[in-house]
Amino acid sequence: DAKTTQPNSMESNEEEPVHLPCNHSTISGTDYIHWYRQLPSQGPEYVIHGLTSNVNNRMASLAIAEDRKSSTLILHRATLRDAAVYYCIRNGTTDSWGKLQFGAGTQVVVTP
Amino acid sequence: KAGVTQTPRYLIKTRGQQVTLSCSPISGHRSVSWYQQTPGQGLQFLFEYFSETQRNKGNFPGRFSGRQFSNSRSEMNVSTLELGDSALYLCASSLTGDVVDTQYFGPGTRLTVL
Repeated sequence: DAKTTQPNSMESNEEEPVHLPCNHSTISGTDYIHWYRQLPSQGPEYVIHGLTSNVNNRMASLAIAEDRKSSTLILHRATLRDAAVYYCIRNGTTDSWGKLQFGAGTQVVVTP
Repeated sequence: KAGVTQTPRYLIKTRGQQVTLSCSPISGHRSVSWYQQTPGQGLQFLFEYFSETQRNKGNFPGRFSGRQFSNSRSEMNVSTLELGDSALYLCASSLTGDVVDTQYFGPGTRLTVL
């Protein structure tokens, strides 16, 4: 049970922003939201994570709803290299030691 | 700093055989997690090791086992291979395996069972 819901796929034009939604309506107060992505023929890679506040890093921004039941990953200017499957993951209890529960993710297609 | 390495990268086995996969974590990382990725089930957590102890386990049969050595390197073993064990096996390392730790994934070992 991945405990998050994401659209199967999204398309974007190169150099345009991409907003990837994630629903986690059963989230508990101590659960973190993590985003990983998997490029073709590679292992997943970390993108960003947050708890309550919006977060920014060099790869993306994470906007977390005030009630924390949903979040949005924002890629500010999509490049062809951003074409990947993006996974939204929530975890936060001690039985999550080293464990990421991946769902099906969102396949992002970037068009030149 | 070198990334997570996995050996071998590709492996072909036949049903009933056993296989051992190896993972070398990033230097200084003490937690190693293993995942299985298949087209049908996606990415599924197998188990996690920290300081040579299995601390967490996913929902896989006992044919899947692992261990961790004192240098944090880890191996996973699958005995009595079945066709359904054909998958990409990924290992990931992190500093402590804590919920806020970033996991760094290796390139995976592609196992084909004939």
